[in-house]
Amino acid sequence: NAGVTQTPKFQVLKTGQSMTLQCAQDMNHEYMSWYRQDPGMGLRLIHYSVGAGITDQGEVPNGYNVSRSTTEDFPLRLLSAAPSQTSVYFCASNGISGGKNNEQFFGPGTRLTVL
Amino acid sequence: DAKTTQPNSMESNEEEPVHLPCNHSTISGTDYIHWYRQLPSQGPEYVIHGLTSNVNNRMASLAIAEDRKSSTLILHRATLRDAAVYYCILRAGNSGTYKYIFGTGTRLKVLA
Repeated sequence: NAGVTQTPKFQVLKTGQSMTLQCAQDMNHEYMSWYRQDPGMGLRLIHYSVGAGITDQGEVPNGYNVSRSTTEDFPLRLLSAAPSQTSVYFCASNGISGGKNNEQFFGPGTRLTVL
Repeated sequence: DAKTTQPNSMESNEEEPVHLPCNHSTISGTDYIHWYRQLPSQGPEYVIHGLTSNVNNRMASLAIAEDRKSSTLILHRATLRDAAVYYCILRAGNSGTYKYIFGTGTRLKVLA
């Protein structure tokens, strides 16, 4: 299993540009989520999904869209990038059915800089 | 969402036990207590979780207070590789609200 994969690893955008951060998992996990981590800070939840076709907002959803058309993929779209969105973005997944309530697997992160 | 409170930082000597505290006074009956850690320049990794009883695994032990308003992560013998930020998180156990809310965590420094 590849686990949770994220692309790209690094990205530089200009203010106003849009882009999509990709996240995929091959563990058949129902739950997927996106976090951002600013320098020296903890992780903040952006959006999450408990299954295909179901998404919900986290703590800091403004400026981001998500969709979940398949179990495997959970892309995060930045609508109009702003310098305040400069951060490291982590995608994560874990199983929630059948009594599974344990390990959340994280991707390696995407380091985004908005100029 | 229930919140957790952790000290900003702690220090430990190598080879000694470390007790990392977490307060979660507003925990609900269905919330699971999870611990993750984040090594420098990496994504978080799972350490341990529990509901009511104390738990042990190969990485650590989790001691949960009887009233569940606090918990302690125990690293039995700290090594330099355990230097990381440790997050205590409450995860709702009821269907449809599985989100994890991370706090700022405790930065553990291990002294050689």
